Amino acid sequence: EDKVVQSPLSLVVHEGDTVTLNCSYEVTNFRSLLWYKQEKKAPTFLFMLTSSGIEKKSGRLSSILDKKELFSILNITATQTGDSAVYLCAADDRGSTLGRLYFGRGTQLTVWP
Amino acid sequence: NAGVTQTPKFQVLKTGQSMTLQCAQDMNHEYMSWYRQDPGMGLRLIHYSVGAGITDQGEVPNGYNVSRSTTEDFPLRLLSAAPSQTSVYFCASSPRRLSYEQYFGPGTRLTVT
Repeated sequence: EDKVVQSPLSLVVHEGDTVTLNCSYEVTNFRSLLWYKQEKKAPTFLFMLTSSGIEKKSGRLSSILDKKELFSILNITATQTGDSAVYLCAADDRGSTLGRLYFGRGTQLTVWP
Repeated sequence: NAGVTQTPKFQVLKTGQSMTLQCAQDMNHEYMSWYRQDPGMGLRLIHYSVGAGITDQGEVPNGYNVSRSTTEDFPLRLLSAAPSQTSVYFCASSPRRLSYEQYFGPGTRLTVT
């Protein structure tokens, strides 16, 4: 059973649209939620969220965490073709001192010109 | 500063063959890990290491061995390749615990026939 569930699995939009990607998680000893962007190669880090309700922002991307409802969203405003990628979220389970990252299956975002 | 490097980029093996995927990082990170990514799936942790001489199993360790003789290198060995090991393999390192921001290598695409 997946500990991290992302939705939608796939999304197609036009440039300029705003998108919201969802990530719900269920880990026993939650510590943080991480977002990565993957463009046909290695994932690159976007955000790490540890506190509820505090938005993290980087340019047109922003993300927020709700620890009560166990989910996070990633918003992308004014999308561009360069935003086309798979977006992965991962939940950090601090069940061991080393931590463990559980990844979702990703949302494939395609932005058409 | 090359970051995380992986070799080879592509590899085709026959069932039963063995091989080693190489991973090196020059950021002096203590934590290193190996993931596999299958189509439509997120990243799954194979093995990880918290420093030279210390390794442990992740979610999907069967069929793989690792060792960590130096801080820089973390090779992954396939003992007897099986078609189920066809996947893309990513090595990652992080400056703190496993679940902190991770730096990924470019990946190795492995096909087992």
